Amino acid sequence: SQQGEEDPQALSIQEGENATMNCSYKTSINNLQWYRQNSGRGLVHLILIRSNEREKHSGRLRVTLDTSKKSSSLLITASRAADTASYFCATDAGYNQGGKLIFGQGTELSVKP
Amino acid sequence: DGGITQSPKYLFRKEGQNVTLSCEQNLNHDAMYWYRQDPGQGLRLIYYSQIVNDFQKGDIAEGYSVSREKKESFPLTVTSAQKNPTAFYLCASRDGGPSGREQFFGPGTRLTVL
Repeated sequence: SQQGEEDPQALSIQEGENATMNCSYKTSINNLQWYRQNSGRGLVHLILIRSNEREKHSGRLRVTLDTSKKSSSLLITASRAADTASYFCATDAGYNQGGKLIFGQGTELSVKP
Repeated sequence: DGGITQSPKYLFRKEGQNVTLSCEQNLNHDAMYWYRQDPGQGLRLIYYSQIVNDFQKGDIAEGYSVSREKKESFPLTVTSAQKNPTAFYLCASRDGGPSGREQFFGPGTRLTVL
C-alpha cells in the first residue's frame, strides 16, 4: 500500500526559482522522511522530520509537517540544474512496525538552466 | 568504503526461471529491506528483516522469497510464481533500534523478463 500522495506529479522550473512539493498521508506517523532519486539510481536521504516537529531546515531545503492535516511540504530554494530528480516522501510508523517506510509516488522535478 | 552493494546491475530472465538478486551491506545495520519500483511509481515493500534469521512479508511478497543467514546479506529470489517481475529492485538497510533513522539504499537491479 502507498500511504503518501504527492503533488504535483511533475514540476518544471527555471534555475534560481524555488520548488515546492507536497505530500499527504493517511495514518499516524512517528516521522516523515524525504528522499531524492536520480534517474535509474538508488534513493538518497535528504531530511527527516519527527511528528512533534513543525519545521526543519537543511541547507537549501525546508520541510514542514502538519500532523493535524496529515501533510508535509518540501521547499528547495534557489534551485539548480543539479536538483533535477524525483523526490519522494516516506512515512515511518515506528519501530513496532519494523521501521518500514511507506513511500509516496514521487514528484519529478526538472530544473532548466 | 561503507555502503550497500547490489548485483547484478541488469538482469534478464526467461519466463519460468527463478533468479536471485544480491544485496550486501558493510554498515553493520541490523535491518534490511527489499523494494520494488515500477516506472513512474513510488517504492513498494516486498520483504524486510530486522535481525538475522528473521524476516517478514511486506505489501507485495507473493512470488518472492528471501533469506537472512548473515547480518550483511539479504538476497531476494524472484520466483516463477511472480507474474510480472519486470521492475527496478532496490535494497536498503537501517540501523536497528528506535525508529527515526534513515534508510540507506543500494544502486538497484533492473530485472527484465524476456
